[in-house]
Amino acid sequence: NAGVTQTPKFRVLKTGQSMTLLCAQDMNHEYMYWYRQDPGMGLRLIHYSVGEGTTAKGEVPDGYNVSRLKKQNFLLGLESAAPSQTSVYFCASSSPDRGLFEQYFGPGTRLTVT
Amino acid sequence: GEDVEQSLFLSVREGDSSVINCTYTDSSSTYLYWYKQEPGAGLQLLTYIFSNMDMKQDQRLTVLLNKKDKHLSLRIADTQTGDSAIYFCAESNIPGGGADGLTFGKGTHLIIQP
Repeated sequence: NAGVTQTPKFRVLKTGQSMTLLCAQDMNHEYMYWYRQDPGMGLRLIHYSVGEGTTAKGEVPDGYNVSRLKKQNFLLGLESAAPSQTSVYFCASSSPDRGLFEQYFGPGTRLTVT
Repeated sequence: GEDVEQSLFLSVREGDSSVINCTYTDSSSTYLYWYKQEPGAGLQLLTYIFSNMDMKQDQRLTVLLNKKDKHLSLRIADTQTGDSAIYFCAESNIPGGGADGLTFGKGTHLIIQP
């Protein structure tokens, strides 16, 4: 199993450009999450999904959109990037079944907006 | 809202014990986690504890929970250079963070001195 993978690993955008970050998991997990990590701020939840076709807002959703068209994929979109969105983005997945207590994280995408 | 607090840095000598502390505010927190993040990588679950436990030991790791004071600690015995990382405390009232993710602290940078 590859676990949770993210593409791309690095990206530099100019203000106003758009992009999509892709997260894929091969563990058949129902729940998927997008977090951002900023220095001194820890991880903050952007959006999450409890299943295919469903998404919900987290703590810091403004400026982002998400889609979960397939169970294994969770996409994070930036329609018009801003410097404040410079961050490291982590995707995670988990399952409510079988008493699992772990969120599995991807390696992260480092995004710089100039 | 929920809040999880950690000190940002801890410096210890190689071979000594490291104790990383965390406080949380949500009295309904049922599941408490310690995640480790090595440089350039995603987060990995180190250990977790239920709120009905006082202590959990796993090899070099000891987790202590004082539910009355809402205080969690992670002790790493015989600290090695490979333990150098950022350690995140996280809480949830649902296993694995449930549908709306985990609430993370800002992370403690563990620095190992030779």
